[in-house]
Amino acid sequence: EDQVTQSPEALRLQEGESSSLNCSYTVSGLRGLFWYRQDPGKGPEFLFTLYSAGEEKEKERLKATLTKKESFLHITAPKPEDSATYLCAVRDGVTGNQFYFGTGTSLTVIP
Amino acid sequence: DTGVSQDPRHKITKRGQNVTFRCDPISEHNRLYWYRQTLGQGPEFLTYFQNEAQLEKSRLLSDRFSAERPKGSFSTLEIQRTEQGDSAMYLCASERGGAYEQYFGPGTRLTVT
Repeated sequence: EDQVTQSPEALRLQEGESSSLNCSYTVSGLRGLFWYRQDPGKGPEFLFTLYSAGEEKEKERLKATLTKKESFLHITAPKPEDSATYLCAVRDGVTGNQFYFGTGTSLTVIP
Repeated sequence: DTGVSQDPRHKITKRGQNVTFRCDPISEHNRLYWYRQTLGQGPEFLTYFQNEAQLEKSRLLSDRFSAERPKGSFSTLEIQRTEQGDSAMYLCASERGGAYEQYFGPGTRLTVT
């Protein structure tokens, strides 16, 4: 069965202190790995899609990378407004219709 | 604002009552998904439509839950005989076929008392 595990569960950073969030996955035939940002009480906001090992995507202070078993979301010089929960999801490799989400990493950036 | 809207944003109901939620996807998106999310968890897949056809339902979906997308545009999710365990955020997402990323609405927060 497809599974997604995110670590750490929670992360506190000082403003400007770079770090990485991890998403490890098991899936029968990856059809895409997705990163979302979710603020409290809101729906997830799409950030990146990665399809194959070695692929990288960047947006502002965020950079997502993908290997055959895991993905990293690197946050460079974070600001307080980057505080949110970051969710990782994989697309089911059999039917391609279901997304499996991890439980997320709650990031707090302290000024 | 992703362009996906949900109504209502909050719903408080008593156990045993029926509730219905609505989702309006991005207009050119032919795929629509419903998810449930509880505190500290990621969204959990409930069901999926391509146009008006409901193509997949989670094995975890109780028969008290039903969803429709009658004209391939908006969708409704109904929960009959609500239970306290149904309290959660219900999220809708839409996708343009082949694009693969899903865009989520703001969710409907359901509280069953």
